[in-house]
Amino acid sequence: QLQLQESGPGLVKPSETLSLTCTVSGDSISSSSYYWGWIRQPPGKGLEWIGNIYYKGNTYYSPSLKSRLIISVDTSKNQFHLKLTSVTAADTAVYYCARENGDYASDYWGQGTLVTVSS
Amino acid sequence: QSALTQPPSASGSPGQSVTISCTGTNSDVGAYKFVSWYQQHPGKAPKLLIYEVSTRPSGVPDRFSGSKSGNTASLTVSGLQAEDEADYYCSSYAGSNILLFGGGTKLTVL
Repeated sequence: QLQLQESGPGLVKPSETLSLTCTVSGDSISSSSYYWGWIRQPPGKGLEWIGNIYYKGNTYYSPSLKSRLIISVDTSKNQFHLKLTSVTAADTAVYYCARENGDYASDYWGQGTLVTVSS
Repeated sequence: QSALTQPPSASGSPGQSVTISCTGTNSDVGAYKFVSWYQQHPGKAPKLLIYEVSTRPSGVPDRFSGSKSGNTASLTVSGLQAEDEADYYCSSYAGSNILLFGGGTKLTVL
């Protein structure tokens, strides 16, 4: 059974960099059929697609976050990573990692991790 | 790109049917067959209900169905049950490997 687990600091100071890791178990991240993505949800609000990555390193980012965003992959550890720079309070959210199938749908999700941006 | 438009709330009584709409543009919903629907219970991760407009993943009850007409996609929940009370989100491919989500609809089972 495929499982995804987010990890990283729950508190980040304004202007600093938010860094999260998603560890995939139960399948290889190098599967040719899938992209691996990040989605976030501010408290009490809706979902926002952040971006995704293919195991070969191809990345696609939300235009609104592109200038501050880096998504990378480590196939040796079956992990992919999110870095969001120059964070503000508006970046406070539950961050989910997910597997995207070939139809642009996220069929497996991590449980999510709350990241708060505050001094 | 802007978020897709969903009604903030919807409701129905047990056994009834409810339809939730998701309106986009001819650059996203209207242009591609890649519309998905998710169910999210409080404090939980979203769950994929429908992909490719009307396809249900294995294990999703056939009470959930999806359709699309022009720039508007719809999710219909038939035979409403108490456990269907949740937030529902649509998403659509918008070209250039970009995905958009709707603002979400809170479904209340009366």
